[in-house]
Amino acid sequence: NAGVTQTPKFQVLKTGQSMTLQCAQDMNHEYMSWYRQDPGMGLRLIHYSVGAGITDQGEVPNGYNVSRSTTEDFPLRLLSAAPSQTSVYFCASRSLGSRGYGYTFGSGTRLTVV
Amino acid sequence: QKEVEQDPGPLSVPEGAIVSLNCTYSNSAFQYFMWYRQYSRKGPELLMYTYSSGNKEDGRFTAQVDKSSKYISLFIRDSQPSDSATYLCAMIGNTGNQFYFGTGTSLTVIP
Repeated sequence: NAGVTQTPKFQVLKTGQSMTLQCAQDMNHEYMSWYRQDPGMGLRLIHYSVGAGITDQGEVPNGYNVSRSTTEDFPLRLLSAAPSQTSVYFCASRSLGSRGYGYTFGSGTRLTVV
Repeated sequence: QKEVEQDPGPLSVPEGAIVSLNCTYSNSAFQYFMWYRQYSRKGPELLMYTYSSGNKEDGRFTAQVDKSSKYISLFIRDSQPSDSATYLCAMIGNTGNQFYFGTGTSLTVIP
């Protein structure tokens, strides 16, 4: 099993550019989510999905879009990159029935916006 | 007030020391309590998981939950340099889908 796969691992963007961070899981998990991690701020939830066709906003959704057309994939789109979006982004997934365990994280995407 | 509070450290201990990591929380609805370990430039990995109150032991690691005080702890015995990482606590209730994370405590174990 590959678990949760994120691509790319590193990315440098210019202010105003757009891009998509990819996330795929092969565990048939219903729940998928995107976090950003910044020093001293911990993990902050950006968007999440409880199944194909269903998405919702987390704590810090502004400037990001998501869609969930399949169970496996949950891409995160940056519409117009800003330096404040420089961060490490993690995708995570779990089965809706596993409340305390089985929340699997990807290895992250390090994004720098200049 | 944040849902989950965690001292960010950094914490530096000699090899073999006992390490105590802690989190406090405000929401009495939390029932599942987790500790994640995150090595530098990696994603968080589940280390320990406890349901409701009590203790859970796994090798050198012990997780404790005191729901009356809204306080959870992770103890590491005989700490090793390979334990050097950031430790994040997390919790969730019986309803809802959102995990609540602490900000993480950075631990360095010096050989």
